[in-house]
Amino acid sequence: DGGITQSPKYLFRKEGQNVTLSCEQNLNHDAMYWYRQDPGQGLRLIYYSQIVNDFQKGDIAEGYSVSREKKESFPLTVTSAQKNPTAFYLCASRTGTGYNEQFFGPGTRLTVL
Amino acid sequence: GEDVEQSLFLSVREGDSSVINCTYTDSSSTYLYWYKQEPGAGLQLLTYIFSNMDMKQDQRLTVLLNKKDKHLSLRIADTQTGDSAIYFCAERVPGGFKTIFGAGTRLFVKA
Repeated sequence: DGGITQSPKYLFRKEGQNVTLSCEQNLNHDAMYWYRQDPGQGLRLIYYSQIVNDFQKGDIAEGYSVSREKKESFPLTVTSAQKNPTAFYLCASRTGTGYNEQFFGPGTRLTVL
Repeated sequence: GEDVEQSLFLSVREGDSSVINCTYTDSSSTYLYWYKQEPGAGLQLLTYIFSNMDMKQDQRLTVLLNKKDKHLSLRIADTQTGDSAIYFCAERVPGGFKTIFGAGTRLFVKA
């Protein structure tokens, strides 16, 4: 079945440590996105990538980094520079034609202890 | 800049209709979307409407678009307890790859 997978579902991190969230899609989509979700604030765009080996900062990129070495994969690293990293992180990919629906993964809940 | 606003909570009784409202700022948006998020899960596209349409109906869902007022609404007929979720309004930024999401409306359905 085609879709987007994110792992792990829950992640705990000690303050000061970097952590990488995985996102993989087998939908053959060119564009991929990372969002952060906090209660009452909706989705905020962290980074997005339109094609392999290219990505752009979103609205809240500080303290995060990404790579796009393969079309299927768009990992997000939450660095120790991110001041308030506890949140629900959602990865998405998008079709390139028509109404351009974004398909979302199940999300990763990151908790910094 | 672009912004999408929606009320945060809505409570209805099972069997009633639910109406979730949204306002957006970019009048040149091409597509507007409604997504549903169930607890602890990702978002799922419910329906969308193209900017040259006024209304779109899909089974129990009716989307109304008022371009003059930049107002979008989602009506769910015969609301069921399984409809309890967060509903996000979103607009596609023209010419780019970004989609702007509202903060989400949490729908509570009382049995």
